[in-house]
Amino acid sequence: EVQLVESGGGWVQPGESLRLSCAASGFTFSDYGMHWVRQVTGKGLEWVSDFTAAGHIHYSGSVRGRFTISREDAKNVLYLQINSLTAGDTAVYYCVRGTKAVAGVDYWGQGTLVTVSS
Amino acid sequence: QTVVTQEPSLTVSPGGTVTLTCASSTGAVTSGNYPNWFQQKPGHAPRALVYSTSNKHSWTPARFSGSLLGGKAALTLSGVLPEDEAEYYCLLHYGGAWVFGGGTKLTVL
Repeated sequence: EVQLVESGGGWVQPGESLRLSCAASGFTFSDYGMHWVRQVTGKGLEWVSDFTAAGHIHYSGSVRGRFTISREDAKNVLYLQINSLTAGDTAVYYCVRGTKAVAGVDYWGQGTLVTVSS
Repeated sequence: QTVVTQEPSLTVSPGGTVTLTCASSTGAVTSGNYPNWFQQKPGHAPRALVYSTSNKHSWTPARFSGSLLGGKAALTLSGVLPEDEAEYYCLLHYGGAWVFGGGTKLTVL
């Protein structure tokens, strides 16, 4: 069974940094691209970043320069480093698996809430 | 800044058919945008329904189908059930980056 479990969320002050983690299980992690998607409470989904199985990294324009995605295939973990946090980063952050053969995503984690407030 | 547009809300009667669409500010949506569709109910993570225009996941009910229609990506629900009431999002690929639509709130009434 595919499982994606996010952790690392919590309350932080503006300007601080945070690293989110996503522990994956139930599949060969290194074979799949992985994504981060976020959602402000009551609002829509926003694609944040992905790290493909081939090693390519992409970011949305709104986070490029402040967010860094990485992965440790040996540990089956995906990370998202977020620097210079602002209130606008307050959201639930989801870890999402990419489909193997064609472009898309399939499995979602339950999300971790990041709250940025003074 | 690419914008992906969906109908903000739609209403359908139980047993009816409804089509949700997904348009791109860059022009016609094509198979190269690999349209994906998701369902989200309040308090839950999104659930993937369709990928790469029309491919269903193993858990996707048969009443959901994806297509390209008039330059847009489309998700058609046939024989709608009350449990299909939810928010639906599309996702499009743009040469590396992905962009979600704003979502469609589907009411079954």
